[in-house]
Amino acid sequence: ETGVTQTPRHLVMGMTNKKSLKCEQHLGHNAMYWYKQSAKKPLELMFVYNFKEQTENNSVPSRFSPECPNSSHLFLHLHTLQPEDSALYLCASSQTPWQGTSGRVQTSEQFFGPGTRLTVL
Amino acid sequence: KQEVTQIPAALSVPEGENLVLNCSFTDSAIYNLQWFRQDPGKGLTSLLLIQSSQREQTSGRLNASLDKSSGRSTLYIAASQPGDSATYLCAVRPIYGQNFVFGPGTRLSVLP
Repeated sequence: ETGVTQTPRHLVMGMTNKKSLKCEQHLGHNAMYWYKQSAKKPLELMFVYNFKEQTENNSVPSRFSPECPNSSHLFLHLHTLQPEDSALYLCASSQTPWQGTSGRVQTSEQFFGPGTRLTVL
Repeated sequence: KQEVTQIPAALSVPEGENLVLNCSFTDSAIYNLQWFRQDPGKGLTSLLLIQSSQREQTSGRLNASLDKSSGRSTLYIAASQPGDSATYLCAVRPIYGQNFVFGPGTRLSVLP
């Protein structure tokens, strides 16, 4: 498999359930991201991991718990969600910025998975 | 805090037309700007990446320009086709603070 994969593609859960979303990247990247996309709102960055360490948490409620066991895998554990958490959850990966031979900072493209459509009843 | 806007919010054109999508950002301290397309209910597909030191990038019928000093980027689509119908998003990677900041997108419909 190539690129960024996400499972499951669709998930329906009750407010008391516990579930996990999985993301895997086959691009050799060292940074991975979780985004939330709600209807009629811009894409919201939730969490960032660089070299398996969490480097950004954009004030995300604790009912969302990320886990990054290695640079290729990223999980989002869900617990006691609310109906307003229903959205498309997207995973992405990229390279962390690096110093090029010219001395300039180089950055790579960000690649996205197909997303998990989550519905909370 | 970096903010990204896109104009227009929606656009409908007949097939064959050339068109321009606009993206504006408030802070010029960026590493890069990336354009994506998103089909309904799907993930984002990367179209073009412009590093902060570059002025434009081209891929097929797509050309993206970057004017960092004025905080603007345009995506030019030549000879539009119905298959180009999608939502187009731009995102900047700020040097300070946040990782990636996305615009709200432009929803494009190309009519046969």
